[in-house]
Amino acid sequence: QVQLVESGGGVVQPGGSLRLSCAASGFTFSSYGMHWVRQAPGKGLEWVAFIRYDGSNKYYADSVKGRFTISRDNSKNTLYLQMNSLRAEDTAVYYCAADWGSYRSSYYYYMDVWGKGTTVTVSS
Amino acid sequence: DIQMTQSPSSLSASVGDRVTITCRASQGISNSLAWYQQKPGKAPKLLLYAASRLESGVPSRFSGSGSGTDYTLTISSLQPEDFATYYCQQYYSTLRGITFGPGTKVDIK
Repeated sequence: QVQLVESGGGVVQPGGSLRLSCAASGFTFSSYGMHWVRQAPGKGLEWVAFIRYDGSNKYYADSVKGRFTISRDNSKNTLYLQMNSLRAEDTAVYYCAADWGSYRSSYYYYMDVWGKGTTVTVSS
Repeated sequence: DIQMTQSPSSLSASVGDRVTITCRASQGISNSLAWYQQKPGKAPKLLLYAASRLESGVPSRFSGSGSGTDYTLTISSLQPEDFATYYCQQYYSTLRGITFGPGTKVDIK
């Protein structure tokens, strides 16, 4: 069955870096765009970034632009989020999600399948 | 960016009630709207997309409607498993980013 498993979360000091991974299985990963979405404690959902199925187009929320980088390795069925210059306000559960509507497309749509999330805490 | 608002922010309802949640965009989004359900400690679950299309496996008591800037999610007869927080999300343009509404918490009266 379709499965997304995030990893790489943890506690990091302000200004530090962290790389999240999302392992995909049960579908043709290389054909679909992927999102990262986060949720701060007790808060709502915030879209973070999207990457096209082949990695050639990437879009970011203004709040992370220039600090976060989304990437993917289709040979490993894995999505990544490199997070640099982390701030306290980046503290959240980070979810990866697959976008079935983005099949072999540059456009993004909505999040059909979600992982369970990984927690990032930015604190000194 | 396109801003999304939802109303109410929370509501209390009983099993069997008809529940309606409204989502409003800061500009027209041409039905580029999805709805999600999230239960505490769990990932969100897609309910509807394109404003009114039901995701496979989602019960038919969930429905969506709207156009332009205003959209609604309706639960025709609230079930115990429907107590959760509901979010709308617009995906109108790759140049404008994706935004979620602030959420509507539905709890037991």
